[in-house]
Amino acid sequence: GESVGLHLPTLSVQEGDNSIINCAYSNSASDYFIWYKQESGKGPQFIIDIRSNMDKRQGQRVTVLLNKTVKHLSLQIAATQPGDSAVYFCAEIETFGNEKLTFGTGTRLTIIP
Amino acid sequence: NAGVTQTPKFRILKIGQSMTLQCTQDMNHNYMYWYRQDPGMGLKLIYYSVGAGITDKGEVPNGYNVSRSTTEDFPLRLELAAPSQTSVYFCASSYSEGLRNQPQHFGDGTRLSIL
Repeated sequence: GESVGLHLPTLSVQEGDNSIINCAYSNSASDYFIWYKQESGKGPQFIIDIRSNMDKRQGQRVTVLLNKTVKHLSLQIAATQPGDSAVYFCAEIETFGNEKLTFGTGTRLTIIP
Repeated sequence: NAGVTQTPKFRILKIGQSMTLQCTQDMNHNYMYWYRQDPGMGLKLIYYSVGAGITDKGEVPNGYNVSRSTTEDFPLRLELAAPSQTSVYFCASSYSEGLRNQPQHFGDGTRLSIL
């Protein structure tokens, strides 16, 4: 079946450096994508989203890139801080299909002081 | 706004017991969802609701039931608890209307152990 997956299960980055978390999706009909951050003992927290009519979207210290040709999504976090340590999930939805959010397994980002 | 509130935060059940996980949201969202998250895994959809009085099955509905009598509340019922239902349960809500999808907001979860 369709799935959303992540290339790397863990990622360690030096504090102050930039980090990139990648995500591959397989449903070519998905048209809305979301990145979530989940800290230990908490629910997923919305970071940034992007719709399929866009290639790039920027937030505060975060940028999401969408490459529909290869069905790839990435989350870039600039100038990482200790508080960025968490598990990051990408999720996709097919708005006029099953309209259900499909989550990837997650990447654990560790910021090294 | 409190957002999405889940109770209880923790619970231990014996096999065969039943319980209801409570979820309420104060954002007037039309869509509500229940997920389970097993260790080291992503979230799997159990049930969802697109509005009061309407519910539908997700990916892993067996062993669970839901109801949506009001916009605010979406309780999840376990009738005969089994060890396989040991997990962390997350409730979420969103405003969704076709291309005006908005991201889902999550509660902090209920950690449930079945012994």
